Amino acid sequence: DIQMTQSPSSLSASVGDRVTITCRTTQSISIYLNWYQHKAGKAPNLLIYDASSLQNGVPSRFIGSGSGTDFTLTISSLQPEDFATYYCQQSYSIPFTFGQGTKLEIK
Amino acid sequence: EVQLLESGGDLVQPGGSLRLSCAASGFTFNSYAMSWVRQAPGKGLEWVSVISGTGANPNYADSVKGRFIISRDSSRDTLYLQMNSLRAEDTAVYYCAKGAAIVVTATYFEHWGQGTLVTVSS
Repeated sequence: DIQMTQSPSSLSASVGDRVTITCRTTQSISIYLNWYQHKAGKAPNLLIYDASSLQNGVPSRFIGSGSGTDFTLTISSLQPEDFATYYCQQSYSIPFTFGQGTKLEIK
Repeated sequence: EVQLLESGGDLVQPGGSLRLSCAASGFTFNSYAMSWVRQAPGKGLEWVSVISGTGANPNYADSVKGRFIISRDSSRDTLYLQMNSLRAEDTAVYYCAKGAAIVVTATYFEHWGQGTLVTVSS
């Protein structure tokens, strides 16, 4: 199984900050890496698929990059509605696996 | 508009069974793979199972293999998860999620339901 290591596990930042979350896999997964935003009590929301493709309706401040084993999600200018937990997920092989999550909190 | 509505979550005793349903609307149901993903209290997301748009190629996480069965009914546009031999560690919110294509490979989860809570406890 492919293991995912997401960092940091938590992050405090302010509105307007630029933040970066990283995801590393135990083997190469090409570009088959996806990012989700999850707020408590709500359905998770797909932000980025295939490492860098922006899902329809997602603001352009969310930027995905990487390939192989190292990936990043960057939020270029934090907005109040961005405070949530973020997960990476590999779709290269079954079993699909998620990172442990990054909780983004207001500083 | 894509809508996924889960139901069937309940309090069940260890060793018991439960069937979850996910009613889908707003898209051609049999053209997309569907998955179940769960979140235990205080934990992250865990993929549970996937099935192709045709109903072929069901796959499971090791943690549920041999106990859970995924299925779908295209006449009802509904996804199911039959959960048997339930354990305390199966306690979680269960989400159904729509894939991006008919096949199970390289799938990501484009749309999610709001989830249904399963509690396994005596």
